[in-house]
Amino acid sequence: EAGVAQSPRYKIIEKRQSVAFWCNPISGHATLYWYQQILGQGPKLLIQFQNNGVVDDSQLPKDRFSAERLKGVDSTLKIQPAKLEDSAVYLCASSSDYRSTYNEQFFGPGTRLTVL
Amino acid sequence: RKEVEQDPGPFNVPEGATVAFNCTYSNSASQSFFWYRQDCRKEPKLLMSVYSSGNEDGRFTAQLNRASQYISLLIRDSKLSDSATYLCVVTMDTGRRALTFGSGTRLQVQP
Repeated sequence: EAGVAQSPRYKIIEKRQSVAFWCNPISGHATLYWYQQILGQGPKLLIQFQNNGVVDDSQLPKDRFSAERLKGVDSTLKIQPAKLEDSAVYLCASSSDYRSTYNEQFFGPGTRLTVL
Repeated sequence: RKEVEQDPGPFNVPEGATVAFNCTYSNSASQSFFWYRQDCRKEPKLLMSVYSSGNEDGRFTAQLNRASQYISLLIRDSKLSDSATYLCVVTMDTGRRALTFGSGTRLQVQP
């Protein structure tokens, strides 16, 4: 079974530029998550989708970050404009359905963003 | 106070040693508990869930103490391949079941 796919794997941009990340979850998974992992810290949830609807975006800095999952399958996360403190690994994860009793999340390899 | 706190380490142990990691969480209403493993520059992967009765998977034993809001992971007979960062994870919200991660404890097993 194919895992969670993410692209690009690495991105270097200058501050105030824009960047977009793409995620394709495991086939059939209804729930998709975007996490931000800053060096030396654990992942922090940015946004959680159930199919094409948002379950939780309370920790998403909405002045600069946006995310969508229009058809309920793949998803994009955008940062516009980027700041130095956005340098991190952006992890996408998916699970079959967050409402299930057993809801293991599977993570993609991440996109490592460096903002100069 | 952080929602999930861990000793960052690193823990440097020889092969064959037994090592224990601890974790505390702040929200007494936390529902589910896990240990994830993250290798250097890789994504986190579920190591094991943690149950009130304690659970064991081969060389790994996890325990939960709800009264003290404390979770532990014991690794016996450490292998070089156990070198990684171990993330303590809880779910804080029964509705969304969002995962809240600790900052991780780094383990280095030496030959």
